Amino acid sequence: QSALTQPASVSGSPGQSITISCTGTSNDVGIYSLVSWYQQHPGKVPRLMIYDVTRRPSGVSNRFSGSKSGNTASLTISGLQAEDEGDYYCCSYAGANTLVFGGGTKVTVL
Amino acid sequence: EVQLVESGGGLVQPGGSLRLSCAASGFIVSSNYMNWVRQAPGKGLEWVSIIYSAGTTYYSDSVKGRFTISRDNSKNTLYLQMNSLRVEDTAIYYCARDESSGWHLDQWGQGTLVTVSS
Repeated sequence: QSALTQPASVSGSPGQSITISCTGTSNDVGIYSLVSWYQQHPGKVPRLMIYDVTRRPSGVSNRFSGSKSGNTASLTISGLQAEDEGDYYCCSYAGANTLVFGGGTKVTVL
Repeated sequence: EVQLVESGGGLVQPGGSLRLSCAASGFIVSSNYMNWVRQAPGKGLEWVSIIYSAGTTYYSDSVKGRFTISRDNSKNTLYLQMNSLRVEDTAIYYCARDESSGWHLDQWGQGTLVTVSS
């Protein structure tokens, strides 16, 4: 149950696009299309942004999109806005009825 | 309105026990996969445990044998019994729902802080 690997920080200017990577193994991200992404603002509760690699829950902006290639999943935020600042966590089903999270990425809007 | 409200956190000495509760409203706990996720101060999210709608339970390696997840259907409440607590168990504990049984957490409680310290 090793954590998924995310960059510690990613930044971008308003209006730009940024991509956060999430690297796992052939035992989690690589084999299951059960990757989700969560946004967490400081002091707040995590919020589901993407599930099943590419699907968006109702109410989540279409500026958020997900993808996967091999053992790496990615979250792209297009048209970056100040409200997008916060921490982002990827998560994957890891087999044997367990979940594994990434270490988190701090997004800064310059 | 769907809501999850945790309680039961607090300060406990190493080796001690604590029981967390998560009261649900707006949906039926026993019809969903329910999880506990924790977050140490200033750190990332860590999955702790799940209880299936069928009642089967699973745990992360870090808490297996020490923590027990359960639910009371009559109270529509989820629990986490934590025994043999360690300093490294200090964290905010969130309960979270997986409505579609698809291994993603669509609804989270506000969390309850557990501090393990002498």
